[in-house]
Amino acid sequence: EVQIVESGGGLVQPGGSLRLSCAASGFTFSTYAMSWVRQAPGKGLEWVSSITGSGGSTYYADSVKGRFTFSRDNSKNTLYLQMNSLRAEDTAVYYCAKASGTSGYYYLGDYWGQGTLVTVSS
Amino acid sequence: DIQMTQSPSTLSASVGDRVTITCRASQSIAGWLAWYQQKPGKAPKLLIYKASSLESGVPSRFGGSGSGTEFTLTISSLQPDDFATYYCQQYNSYWTFGQGTKVEIK
Repeated sequence: EVQIVESGGGLVQPGGSLRLSCAASGFTFSTYAMSWVRQAPGKGLEWVSSITGSGGSTYYADSVKGRFTFSRDNSKNTLYLQMNSLRAEDTAVYYCAKASGTSGYYYLGDYWGQGTLVTVSS
Repeated sequence: DIQMTQSPSTLSASVGDRVTITCRASQSIAGWLAWYQQKPGKAPKLLIYKASSLESGVPSRFGGSGSGTEFTLTISSLQPDDFATYYCQQYNSYWTFGQGTKVEIK
């Protein structure tokens, strides 16, 4: 059974940093891309970042480029999203999702975690 | 960047109704489109991928069609469990979601 569990959310001041983690199990972790998708309160879904199965390539939305860093440790089946220079508009539930592949055309999420809330406020 | 536009934003319907949601891409995405269902406080759930392929375990009343820039999600007979928000998502070039369509009880 595929399981995806996010952690690390919380309250942080504007300009601060936070690191989210995502632990995955139930599939061959290193052979799938993984992604972060966020949802601001009362708003729609927004793709944040994706990483290939090997970790060799990462992709970022323009809204987080240069501030967020996505990495993975395939030995631990764990992903990390380092978020720096946080802004009020980064406040959202952050979901970790397993992609349908790791190369070519793949959609973001055939399995999702339950999400972790990040609140950026003074 | 590819923009995705869903219509309508809100749809009021009754149990048993046939429901259609449209998603338009700002440029051709071939058939690289997925549909998700999301209920309040829950993670999205994959319904359809590659425009018309039904995800395993998803009821057959859900169907997807389209290619290029125009796509539809159809629910053939709306059930109580189907009241939710639906999102399209392109994966032709990076990834973009539509703004969502809320299906509410009429």
